[in-house]
Amino acid sequence: DTEVTQTPKHLVMGMTNKKSLKCEQHMGHRAMYWYKQKAKKPPELMFVYSYEKLSINESVPSRFSPECPNSSLLNLHLHALQPEDSALYLCASSQDSGPWEQYFGPGTRLTVT
Amino acid sequence: GENVEQHPSTLSVQEGDSAVIKCTYSDSASNYFPWYKQELGKRPQLIIDIRSNVGEKKDQRIAVTLNKTAKHFSLHITETQPEDSAVYFCAASTRGNNRLAFGKGNQVVVIP
Repeated sequence: DTEVTQTPKHLVMGMTNKKSLKCEQHMGHRAMYWYKQKAKKPPELMFVYSYEKLSINESVPSRFSPECPNSSLLNLHLHALQPEDSALYLCASSQDSGPWEQYFGPGTRLTVT
Repeated sequence: GENVEQHPSTLSVQEGDSAVIKCTYSDSASNYFPWYKQELGKRPQLIIDIRSNVGEKKDQRIAVTLNKTAKHFSLHITETQPEDSAVYFCAASTRGNNRLAFGKGNQVVVIP
């Protein structure tokens, strides 16, 4: 089973709201990723967790806060976002630290109003 | 860091014809090259990948070739079908590195 799941599918939030995106995989993968994707652009790496520890933060603004509660779950906490943060947020996982096949979830379509 | 260039940006082919997308990379240490297909509104889907110890890999109608000397790799789709219409992203990664450097993507349109 190469499935990564994400909730919610769609999210609309105001600039003062706090919300969270959730990602789950049950493939026993030890690396998990958050990507941001704008229309007609490739995915842009935000964070990487390896063995539940944050290993890469691509200079993402602090209004995005990742969390890895356990090896199967990955959260992205959102606070005080800007309209330009509207995008598709993709979670991915891979067997281990790279390079291994990365499998993407369906994404959360985020709109910031 | 790694830089991946992808050409052409848009490719239109008649159904049944072949499509070829080429990517070039800059870091000679890169050793893993996946291809993702992304249909409109869907997730990027890993369709094929190749590692640097292999020159070619095939899976039914798709194949990937790698030329390490020239630092380029290509996706070949034969007998194209309308369901092959999508954006295709190439990527490259280096041993021990979780980062995938993506190309900008190719819009492939298969004309029935």
